[in-house]
Amino acid sequence: EVRLMESGGGLVQPGGSPRVSCAASGFNIASYSMNWVRQAPGKGLEWVANINQDGSETDYLDSVKGRFIISRDNAKNSLYLQMKSLRAEDTAVYYCVRVRYDYFFDHWGQGTLVTVSS
Amino acid sequence: QTVVTQEPSFSVSPGGTVTLTCGLSSGSVSTSYYPSWYQQTPGQAPRTLMYNTDTRSSGVPYRFSGFILGDRAALTITGAQAEDESDYYCVLYMGSGNWVFGGGTKLAVV
Repeated sequence: EVRLMESGGGLVQPGGSPRVSCAASGFNIASYSMNWVRQAPGKGLEWVANINQDGSETDYLDSVKGRFIISRDNAKNSLYLQMKSLRAEDTAVYYCVRVRYDYFFDHWGQGTLVTVSS
Repeated sequence: QTVVTQEPSFSVSPGGTVTLTCGLSSGSVSTSYYPSWYQQTPGQAPRTLMYNTDTRSSGVPYRFSGFILGDRAALTITGAQAEDESDYYCVLYMGSGNWVFGGGTKLAVV
């Protein structure tokens, strides 16, 4: 069974630099591009970042470029999102998402909430 | 800046048919954008409904269908049931590892 389990969320001060992680099981993440998608409280879904299978290519939502870094450790079957210079508007549930070769999100984690507040 | 548009809300009667759409602020949606659809109920992670415009994800009932309607992607529910009351999101693949979600449609089954 495919499972994605996020961790690392919590309350963070503005300007903080948390890292959220995603532990995958039931499949080998090395075969898939992986993404982060977020959802602010009461708002819609927003694509955040993409990383290809070997980590050599990454892409970001404009508003997080230069502040967020997506990375992966295929040996640990894990995905990461290093965030820095956090703002209140980054408050959201962050979902780890598997991307199928035909450009859709076929499995989602349950998400981890990152709250940016002083 | 690319904006993907969806109806903010829709209402359908039980047993009725409803079509939700997904458009672009400029230009037409085609299969080249690999439109996909996701269903989300409050407090839950999204569930994949439809991909590649018209392919149902595993376990999705046949009452859900996807297609291109004019210059938009569309999701039709034929014979809506109470459990279909959810938020529905479309997402388009813009190329080069970038996706854009629509704002979502809140569907009421009343």
